[in-house]
Parts: sequence; C-alpha cells; structure tokens
Amino acid sequence: NAGVTQTPKFQVLKTGQSMTLQCAQDMNHEYMSWYRQDPGMGLRLIHYSVGAGITDQGEVPNGYNVSRSTTEDFPLRLLSAAPSQTSVYFCASSMGSSGANVLTFGAGSRLTVL
Amino acid sequence: DAKTTQPTSMDCAEGRAANLPCNHSTISGNEYVYWYRQIHSQGPQYIIHGLKNNETNEMASLIITEDRKSSTLILPHATLRDTAVYYCIVRVRSGAGSYQLTFGKGTKLSVIP
Repeated sequence: NAGVTQTPKFQVLKTGQSMTLQCAQDMNHEYMSWYRQDPGMGLRLIHYSVGAGITDQGEVPNGYNVSRSTTEDFPLRLLSAAPSQTSVYFCASSMGSSGANVLTFGAGSRLTVL
Repeated sequence: DAKTTQPTSMDCAEGRAANLPCNHSTISGNEYVYWYRQIHSQGPQYIIHGLKNNETNEMASLIITEDRKSSTLILPHATLRDTAVYYCIVRVRSGAGSYQLTFGKGTKLSVIP
C-alpha cells in the first residue's frame, strides 16, 4: 500500500514550457486534490475532484488544468509555465469529500520555472 | 469561511507537554477541526481531528471548547522529532458539496533539548 505517490520529485522548466505532475493513489479514494506551497506560506488549493469525471477549481486555479479519468490518477497540467508557478506541489486524497474524511498527502513535487 | 488563528511560534522543552492553541471563532456546526504538521518541506502529516468532543489518539489529544470557538492540540511528551510547523484547519464546505482544507501559516513548534 503506497498511499499517495507523486512524480517527479523535482523538475526544472523554462518559461513557456508545459508539463504534467502526476499523482496516483492506491487507496480507492474518491476525493483528490492539488495544493501548492510557496516559501513561508501554508498550502493553497488549486483544483480538486470528488470522483472520476468530476473536477472543480480551488483558490488558485489559473494556469493549471486537471482531469480525472480514473479513480486512481489525478494529473496536474501546467500549460505554459511561468516563474510565478515555482513552488512545491502536493497531491492529497481522501475516501470522500465530507468534513469527516481525513486527507492523506503525498511527499510533494518541487518545481522551478526559470 | 471559518478562519483559524494560531501563534506564529512556540518553544517546548523536550519531555514536557506541548500545548498548541487555535482560535476558530466563525466555525459552523458541521465543520471539523483538523491538525496537521509539516516537517521541513515534507508532505503534511495528519495528527488528529474532531467535531465537538475531545479526541485522543497515539500521537496527540485534541481539546475543543464547548462553544467550539477554540481548540488545543496537546503533544503529551514532546521529543526533538516533534519540531515542525503545526496547522490548525477547519474543513469548510465549498462547491459541489465537498469540504476543503484551508491552510493558514501555522505554528512553528521548536522542541528544545
């Protein structure tokens, strides 16, 4: 049981490049989400999904796309990377989206945009 | 949204209890209080959560006031490995009927030998 797996752990991009951060969970969780964390700050919600085929925007969605074709995977796409997207990205999942469901976080993906 | 207020930093002597306070005066009746911690830049680690009653698990205890406007996380015997940023979070209802975690800046707990 691996929990929440994020790849890659580190990535350097040039401005304007695109890439996808991968997130996979093996706990059959319905709810998945992406957060970003900037230095000295708490985590901010980018996008989330309450089940396969359903996604919604969080607090800071601009510049990011998501899709949820399977229960296990929730990739985050950067369409045209900008230096402002330099951050650490965390994926998290829970059994459901109710207030009582505990979120489990991945180890993070550190992205630098030059 | 229910916001939380925490001290920026706290110190605790190794072996003593660490009591981390949190104010959440605008919390709604069906919103849970969660505590996570983050060591360096690792992924946040779940500690404990509760709705109305006090809760205890192998890591910590959570004391919630009767009016639910504040809570305290208690680490009974702090060790150096408990040095981390501790986040008090209220999971609030948002779009699509789901509940989201909104992180603040947390409390930096330093356990001192």
